[in-house]
Amino acid sequence: GENVEQHPSTLSVQEGDSAVIKCTYSDSASNYFPWYKQELGKRPQLIIDIRSNVGEKKDQRIAVTLNKTAKHFSLHITETQPEDSAVYFCAASQVKLVFGAGTILRVKS
Amino acid sequence: DTAVSQTPKYLVTQMGNDKSIKCEQNLGHDTMYWYKQDSKKFLKIMFSYNNKELIINETVPNRFSPKSPDKAHLNLHINSLELGDSAVYFCASSQDGGSTDTQYFGPGTRLTVL
Repeated sequence: GENVEQHPSTLSVQEGDSAVIKCTYSDSASNYFPWYKQELGKRPQLIIDIRSNVGEKKDQRIAVTLNKTAKHFSLHITETQPEDSAVYFCAASQVKLVFGAGTILRVKS
Repeated sequence: DTAVSQTPKYLVTQMGNDKSIKCEQNLGHDTMYWYKQDSKKFLKIMFSYNNKELIINETVPNRFSPKSPDKAHLNLHINSLELGDSAVYFCASSQDGGSTDTQYFGPGTRLTVL
């Protein structure tokens, strides 16, 4: 079955810097790659997603890139703000969503 | 205008008890899911239902039994609760369960088994 690995497990950045989180997946049939943000005690919320027919997608300060050949995808957050601090999950889907282990992002002001 | 709702938000109970968690979505979606998030924050799917029919049933102990009375509701009943069942349980829904469907999560139910 699908296996998703996510790195780093924790990431601390200074406010205004960029943050990059990387994920790899094992099943080449996976065709949907969402990213979720989970604040403490809250539900996971979709922040951006990408489908396998697209290599890059951007939404304001957030972008996701997908390399199907290498089976990896990345989340890029520019101009980080303290409110970006949360746990970020990548996921890959072929039949079901399989999540990475999460990255704790801390933005220091 | 709550999209996916769950009750209760917190559940504290003794080992061996039976408990239920309820989930409702008002998005008109056909597919609903249960996920378990353990103490290390790892999110794993347990079940999915499409229009009241069981689609995904991961290797979950048979003490866990989902029930979908209609496509807007998916409840989770847990028998003979064990310490290891302590976790946050999230319900989610998506339009039709396709592999590229966006899933929307409920607020979660924090279950603590003493």
